[in-house]
Amino acid sequence: SQTIHQWPATLVQPVGSPLSLECTVEGTSNPNLYWYRQAAGRGLQLLFYSVGIGQISSEVPQNLSASRPQDRQFILSSKKLLLSDSGFYLCAWSSVKDTQYFGPGTRLTVL
Amino acid sequence: QKEVEQDPGPLSVPEGAIVSLNCTYSNSAFQYFMWYRQYSRKGPELLMYTYSSGNKEDGRFTAQVDKSSKYISLFIRDSQPSDSATYLCAMSGGGYALNFGKGTSLLVTP
Repeated sequence: SQTIHQWPATLVQPVGSPLSLECTVEGTSNPNLYWYRQAAGRGLQLLFYSVGIGQISSEVPQNLSASRPQDRQFILSSKKLLLSDSGFYLCAWSSVKDTQYFGPGTRLTVL
Repeated sequence: QKEVEQDPGPLSVPEGAIVSLNCTYSNSAFQYFMWYRQYSRKGPELLMYTYSSGNKEDGRFTAQVDKSSKYISLFIRDSQPSDSATYLCAMSGGGYALNFGKGTSLLVTP
């Protein structure tokens, strides 16, 4: 069966510091991978998706970036965090476009 | 107008009640409809997936899609305290992006 991992689970970072969140998927090959942010009262917002190694599509312009160095690894980064980057970051995978499965999430607090 | 509207609740029901959760949408291109359950501080879990209009049943859960009214529902029969969570509807027109509602908070009291 497929499993999706995210780490760290919780992160507290100062404004202006860098960020690196990692997501890995087990049990499937060539998955579509997604990064979402869930902020209080704002629902789930798609940030990036990737259909293959090195292929990244950005849905929302911001100071975040994503990379896919390996087939089942997806990384979310920032060079300088803003207060508005606080939220619950979720990685998801799918084998087809519509049915997405989510990881446990990373709760990020920027102070 | 937001593409997907969902009443945030909270919705409180006694154990054993039938729960009805709903979403409306504005984009007639949506064809794929999903319901996710999210416990506090956890990732969303896929509950139901429906393509186009109609009903789908899985145990105590029934999903309904009415494309003519742009309205989808999730029914939970014999609700249990373990059903207490936030329920998110999601839909797409076949692209990579899912359009989510903001979620309805459900509390089932013993």
